[in-house]
Amino acid sequence: SAVISQKPSRDICQRGTSLTIQCQVDSQVTMMFWYRQQPGQSLTLIATANQGSEATYESGFVIDKFPISRPNLTFSTLTVSNMSPEDSSIYLCSVEVGSREKLFFGSGTQLSVL
Amino acid sequence: DQQVKQNSPSLSVQEGRISILNCDYTNSMFDYFLWYKKYPAEGPTFLISISSIKDKNEDGRFTVFLNKSAKHLSLHIVPSQPGDSAVYFCAAKKAGANNLFFGTGTRLTVIP
Repeated sequence: SAVISQKPSRDICQRGTSLTIQCQVDSQVTMMFWYRQQPGQSLTLIATANQGSEATYESGFVIDKFPISRPNLTFSTLTVSNMSPEDSSIYLCSVEVGSREKLFFGSGTQLSVL
Repeated sequence: DQQVKQNSPSLSVQEGRISILNCDYTNSMFDYFLWYKKYPAEGPTFLISISSIKDKNEDGRFTVFLNKSAKHLSLHIVPSQPGDSAVYFCAAKKAGANNLFFGTGTRLTVIP
């Protein structure tokens, strides 16, 4: 398993500002994943972050809106840029440890944009 | 397009009885299925999984059944306990892919 620390746990932000979410893992992992859960919706993958290369974004998500950093094998950040109320969601960091089929999740960041 | 669907947003069950949570999927390329459990203010935690080559996987009180022809899977919890009260997410994965496709979740309440 893995212990994933994600912060902040929640934030209330003004429209047009940006928020950076941090994710720290207690072991080295190759891939880290960022998910979003909009109210009443399922978890949706935003992007996959590999250390030493550009993040891979899923359809509907772009780097300008959700820039990601992956400076080492235990840490990643996701920035939500130029926020609007539609960005109000829970953002979750996750990693694969051991079996490729199972993901471990951080506790999430509850973001509200006014 | 929601490829994994959980049509029941909520379910209430008496303690000691069986809880059955259902999940349907549309993509025949999915070959691995997982159930996650989520408590408030926590991230989802892995519960149980099943490969498409199997039709049943059991782990203690939790059993997952897969019906590939119907593109349907279910999670059985027996006996249900109050601590099982949480939101349960079904997820599916294609071979070799990173992306997990999640359902919208079912909130299970186990009544003491």
